[in-house]
Amino acid sequence: EPEVTQTPSHQVTQMGQEVILRCVPISNHLYFYWYRQILGQKVEFLVSFYNNEISEKSEIFDDQFSVERPDGSNFTLKIRSTKLEDSAMYFCASNPDRNTEAFFGQGTRLTVV
Amino acid sequence: AQSVTQLGSHVSVSEGALVLLRCNYSSSVPPYLFWYVQYPNQGLQLLLKYTSAATLVKGINGFEAEFKKSETSFHLTKPSAHMSDAAEYFCAARQGGSEKLVFGKGTKLTVNP
Repeated sequence: EPEVTQTPSHQVTQMGQEVILRCVPISNHLYFYWYRQILGQKVEFLVSFYNNEISEKSEIFDDQFSVERPDGSNFTLKIRSTKLEDSAMYFCASNPDRNTEAFFGQGTRLTVV
Repeated sequence: AQSVTQLGSHVSVSEGALVLLRCNYSSSVPPYLFWYVQYPNQGLQLLLKYTSAATLVKGINGFEAEFKKSETSFHLTKPSAHMSDAAEYFCAARQGGSEKLVFGKGTKLTVNP
């Protein structure tokens, strides 16, 4: 069964460093998303991406964040200068059209020290 | 703004007992509603979804949920709990016209032998 894959599963980085979280969505999907879950808190929407541009973003998704689909298969989330409060589980998701459910990856646990 | 409330961060049941996980949404316009399950060290997996076709929705693994507009609820039930149901369950809503999912805080289900 096709699935969304995320790498790495766990990343530790120093405060102020740039990180790139990688995702390979399901191949025929057109809509892509990033969500995050800070420990003990709700899963929160960050951004949606369609047709090579951001279609919706939350107030969390500030200038420190960017997304890219560099090669037609990968979908990346970049955090330019990480802060301690960026420590969270980051989930990538995709769906074939906006009216179907999103399929989620297993997540990348980001720890900023 | 849409919000989703899950009553009870932890629910414990005996094997074979009824499972009831509660979810309420805030919007006056019924949204699309979803239940996701997260097993340890895994991603979010869709259990079932409500998209206005039928108020009683059946999902995988014997779970079902009933949409009640008058109560703004979408509670998840399973008649007889199994040990393998132990996981965290998330209720989520998506408003028509938006792509983002709004999640509840999650309910951790423990099944006792």
